[in-house]
Parts: sequence; structure tokens; C-alpha cells
Amino acid sequence: DVKVTQSSRYLVKRTGEKVFLECVQDMDHENMFWYRQDPGLGLRLIYFSYDVKMKEKGDIPEGYSVSREKKERFSLILESASTNQTSMYLCASSSGGARGYTFGSGTRLTVV
Amino acid sequence: GQQVMQIPQYQHVQEGEDFTTYCNSSTTLSNIQWYKQRPGGHPVFLIQLVKSGEVKKQKRLTFQFGEAKKNSSLHITATQTTDVGTYFCAGPPTGGSYIPTFGRGTSLIVHP
Repeated sequence: DVKVTQSSRYLVKRTGEKVFLECVQDMDHENMFWYRQDPGLGLRLIYFSYDVKMKEKGDIPEGYSVSREKKERFSLILESASTNQTSMYLCASSSGGARGYTFGSGTRLTVV
Repeated sequence: GQQVMQIPQYQHVQEGEDFTTYCNSSTTLSNIQWYKQRPGGHPVFLIQLVKSGEVKKQKRLTFQFGEAKKNSSLHITATQTTDVGTYFCAGPPTGGSYIPTFGRGTSLIVHP
């Protein structure tokens, strides 16, 4: 089974801090994604990457950046955390075929 | 941009009753994917439908893709408490980005 591993399950950071969320997948998938999930708003795409060093903005990229230096790792960076970035962050990977996305367990980030 | 709507937002049923959630897109979809997220968990891929009018079954779950490829439904027969969770549909627009837009989900609550 494909595994997508997110480095932290829960994280508490202070306003203004630089925050790194790490995601690693073990099935050689080309595509990786970062979503945030908020009650009533569903899953919103922040950034995605279809290859090493490639990145594309999703629907809500403001305040975020990403890094993909290796195929298996996709990092989400909050340059200066703000309280409105308190959320559940979900990483996903996909081969682009009929097996859909495989999601990680999520990181619940609280910015205080 | 593309919008994917799901109804209802919540559904309470007694165990043993049937359940249906509906997914409607503002644009034609190249495929439709369905995911289930258990409380406290992450979305898990259930199935992908590609053809107009396609129907697929997984035990008590029946998935349909509309003839116009703009809508889809998930029907659960004789719900069980293990069916509790939020069901999301997601689909990329035909001829556009391959990235699917997620609906906001339908939360199913099953009362024993």
C-alpha cells in the first residue's frame, strides 16, 4: 500500500514563526498536493507539484510556499504564521491513474 | 471557476436505513472520484468513475455517474454504524486541469 507520511500530527506555533510541514510518500508518485481542511469548507488546494522542483499554485496559495527537492518529499512552508492559518493540513500523492489520491494522516496546526 | 456542490451537508439515519448523497458540478467532468473520511481520520479513496452513465458497486455502496457527466451519486443500502463519516466527491473538468475540485462533503451520522 502507498504510504503518505506527514511529520507531525499536532503542531502549535506562534504568530510570525516560520513553519515547515513535511510530507513523504513511498510509491514514486509524480504528483503531490497540499490541502487545508476547515469545517464547512471542505478540502481546499494550496499548492501542488507534478515533478521534482516543479510547483503550481492551487486555489489558496497566499501566505504559503512549497519545496520539492526530491520526488518523495513535498514540504509546505508558512513564511510567517498567522492565526487564520490554524487548520488541518493534508498532504496527498497520486500517480494520476484511476487510484485517486492517497492522503496522509494530516497535521493539525494551531497558531497562537 | 469550476464548482462542485454536494447535498445534503448532513444526514442522520437510523441503522438499517438507506442513504444517498448527491454531487453536482458546474462543468462537465472527465471523471468523478469518491472518498470517505472517518471522524478524526483522513480522506480515503473509494472509487473512480469515468464513463457517462457508469454504475459501480462495492458491497452495499452504489456509485453512479450521470449521463451528462456533471453529476454523481453515492447510495448506501442498509447503513451500519461503520458507515459513519464524511463522503466527498471530486472531479476534474473535461479538457481542463487534471486537478479535481472537491465538494464540501456530506456527513453521515448513523444512529444505532
